[in-house]
Amino acid sequence: VQLLESGGGLVQPGGSLRLSCAASGFTFSSSAMSWVRQAPGKGLEWVSAISGSGGTTFYPDSVKGRFTISRDNSKNTLYLQMNSLRAEDTAVYYCAKGSIAVASFDPWGQGTLVTVSS
Amino acid sequence: QSVLTQPPSASGTPGQRVTISCSGSSSNIGSNYVYWYQQLPGTAPKLLIYTNNQRPSGVPDRFSGSKSGTSASLAISGLRSEDEADYYCAAWDDSLSVVFGGGTKLTVL
Repeated sequence: VQLLESGGGLVQPGGSLRLSCAASGFTFSSSAMSWVRQAPGKGLEWVSAISGSGGTTFYPDSVKGRFTISRDNSKNTLYLQMNSLRAEDTAVYYCAKGSIAVASFDPWGQGTLVTVSS
Repeated sequence: QSVLTQPPSASGTPGQRVTISCSGSSSNIGSNYVYWYQQLPGTAPKLLIYTNNQRPSGVPDRFSGSKSGTSASLAISGLRSEDEADYYCAAWDDSLSVVFGGGTKLTVL
C-alpha cells in the first residue's frame, strides 16, 4: 500500500492550490480517504474525508467552503482543491486511507508542504 | 486548543512503563472509538492503536490502549529509546468531524 502526495508549494494569501495523492496497492474505489495537515511545529488537524464512491464528504469548519476534496477512482487519485488560502493554512498535508465516521488513518503518505506567504 | 486533551510531554527511562492520557467528551471519546498514532521525528504519523485497544500487525505488544468513559490512555511498557516520538489520540466526534489531541512528546531519558 502506497500513497504519494504532490502539488505543494508556495502560494500567496488568497490564492489557490490543488494537491494530489496517487494511491496504489489496495482497492482505491472501496476505500474512504482523508487529508490531515500539520502546521510547522504543531499537532495534527483533520482537513477532510471522502467516501469510496465520492458521494459523501466531510470538512471541519476551519476549511468548509474553501477546500474541496474529490477523487478519480479511474486514476486511483485523491485531490484537495484549496481556495482562498490563508497564512494559517501553511502546513504539511498528508493523505491517508480511511475515515468516514471513525478516526482511522492507515497508512499515511509522506506529506507535501504548502506555504502561504506573500 | 485541541478538542481532545493530552499532556504536552511525558518521559521515562529505558525499561519503565509510561502512560499517556487523552481526555474528551461524550460526543467523541464517550461514544466513539479511540485511535492512537505515533510520529517519529521527521516522518509521517503511523497508526499505533485502533478501536480503543487493538494493535495493527507489526506493532509490539509493549503498546496497549484502554478507554473508560470519556477518557483513554496509551501505555508503553519496557520503554525503549526508539519509542521517543510524538503520540496523538484521535476520535470521531458526533458533530461529524475527526478530532485529535494536541500530542504528547515522549522523551526516553
